[in-house]
Amino acid sequence: EVQLLESGGGLVQPGGSLRLSCAASGFTFSNYAMSWVRQAPGKGLEWVSVISGDGYTTLYADSVKGRFTISRDNSENMLFLQLNSLRAEDAAVYHCTKTVGYCSGTCYKYLQDWGQGTLVTVSS
Amino acid sequence: DIQMTQSPSTLSASVGDRVTITCRASQSISRWLAWYQHKPGKAPKLLIYEASSLESGVPSRFSGSGSGTEFTLTISSLQPDDSATYFCQHYNGYPYTFGQGTKLEIK
Repeated sequence: EVQLLESGGGLVQPGGSLRLSCAASGFTFSNYAMSWVRQAPGKGLEWVSVISGDGYTTLYADSVKGRFTISRDNSENMLFLQLNSLRAEDAAVYHCTKTVGYCSGTCYKYLQDWGQGTLVTVSS
Repeated sequence: DIQMTQSPSTLSASVGDRVTITCRASQSISRWLAWYQHKPGKAPKLLIYEASSLESGVPSRFSGSGSGTEFTLTISSLQPDDSATYFCQHYNGYPYTFGQGTKLEIK
């Protein structure tokens, strides 16, 4: 059974930093791209970032580009998201997701498994 | 970015009803569309991928259809456990975007 368990959320001041983690189990972690998706309170879902299975390819939503960094440790089956220069609008529940599909020029990958998420609150 | 528009935003129906939710893309996404079910405090769950493929383990009362810009999620016979918010999402290249969600209430 696939399990994705996020941690690292909390209260941080505007301009602050936070590192989110996601512990994965139940599948061969290095074989799959992984993504972060967030949901702000009362809002819809927003795709944030994706990383390839080997960790060499990363993509970001424009709203977080230059401030967030996605990474992974395949030896530990861990996914990370470093959040810097946090803004009020970054407050959300952050979900990690197992991403499946393929890339052929364009990438066609959907989000097969999700964690419950970790809450990030940005406030002074 | 491709915009995804879902309707209705809320829906109230009775057990046994047939329910349809619509998702419209701002440009053609072929069949690169997924549907998810999300209950409060739980992990979202994949229901349908590639517009009409049922994810393993998902009850057969859920079905998806459509291509291009118009898509539907149908629940053939509503069950009490189906109370949730349903999201569509395109994956026709990044950035992936989601519909705003349809909150389904069981009467």
